[in-house]
Formats: sequence, structure tokens, C-alpha cells
Amino acid sequence: KQEVTQIPAALSVPEGENLVLNCSFTDSAIYNLQWFRQDPGKGLTSLLLIQSSQREQTSGRLNASLDKSSGRSTLYIAASQPGDSATYLCAVPYGQNFVFGPGTRLSVLP
Amino acid sequence: NAGVTQTPKFRVLKTGQSMTLLCAQDMNHEYMYWYRQDPGMGLRLIHYSVGEGTTAKGEVPDGYNVSRLKKQNFLLGLESAAPSQTSVYFCASSYSGYGYTFGSGTRLTVV
Repeated sequence: KQEVTQIPAALSVPEGENLVLNCSFTDSAIYNLQWFRQDPGKGLTSLLLIQSSQREQTSGRLNASLDKSSGRSTLYIAASQPGDSATYLCAVPYGQNFVFGPGTRLSVLP
Repeated sequence: NAGVTQTPKFRVLKTGQSMTLLCAQDMNHEYMYWYRQDPGMGLRLIHYSVGEGTTAKGEVPDGYNVSRLKKQNFLLGLESAAPSQTSVYFCASSYSGYGYTFGSGTRLTVV
């Protein structure tokens, strides 16, 4: 069974810091991994989708890496801003579905 | 904007009442999903569909039924609502499992 964990569960940083969010999965036979953002009371917004053939994917200040052999992905946020405050979830495919991590709740303080 | 639309956005039900949640997508996605999200439990898959006319059970299917009569619509039904079904429900769709697009959610309270 695929299990996904995320560390840390919560993170509070001052504005401007660079930060790393971690995602681990137990079954490395995945063909992609997706990072989402969820604002309080809102749905999930897709941030980055990394195919298994890729090692990195970038979008603006966000960079996600994927290491299938170690069962890990990291989401790097550069020069964090208060608007980045949200919960970040990673998800990996399992069968015909996705398994989601519990999320990292990020607070960026002005 | 193209995407996944859920209706209604909010609903309060009395125990034992029934209701249907509607999910509509206009991206021609084959796969559609219903999740519930509860504090401390994360996202849990209720039912899913891999194409028109097909449905399958997810992790927490009890108390729910679904139908996919048209490719663009996926309905989630509660036949006899219970307080344990108080949750936020999310619909999602994907193209053969590649990437997900989520709806904005339905907040359901059963009293």
C-alpha cells in the first residue's frame, strides 16, 4: 500500500526566507508526483506536476524535485512572501487513484 | 473558466435526509473522483470513475453512491445522511491519472 508522509507538519518563517518542504512515499514505482496548495476553506490548486522521467520542475519561485529511488520529493520556495501562506500537499498515483500526504501548513510572517 | 464545478457549495441536512452533490468538468477528462476532507484525516477517496458508465469504490465508500451517466458529470449521493458524513467534499478529474484538477468543494453539515 502506498503511504505518503510530509515533514514538517507546520512551518512558520519570516518573509523573505527560502524554505524546503518534504514529501516521502513508500512505493517508488510511480510515474509522476504532484504538489498542491490549499488555502483555508478553499479547494486544492495544482502547483507542479513532475513526471518520473524528470528530476526537477520549476514554476516561478517554486522548484520541485523528485528522487524515486529514495522515495522523496522536495518543494523549494524561494524568497517566501505572506501570500505563500497555505497548506501544501503532495500526491502520488496508486493504481487508478492518487494518495495524498497530510500536508504542511506554512505561515509566512510579514 | 474551464475546470471542475461543484454544486452546491454549502448544505445543511438533517439526519436521515438524502441529497446529491453534482460535479461537472469541461476538460474531457476520463477520470473523476470524489474525496472527503476531515481535520486530521486528510483527503480520503470515496468513489471514483475511469469513464462514462463506470464507477468504483475508494477508501471510504460506505453510505455513499455515485453515478457517471455522462462523461462530464459525476454525482455523489447520500441516501440517509448521518452526522459522521459532516465534511468537506471535493470532486476532482484527471486525464488518465495524469495530474488532477479539483473543484472548490462542498461544505456539508449533518445535524
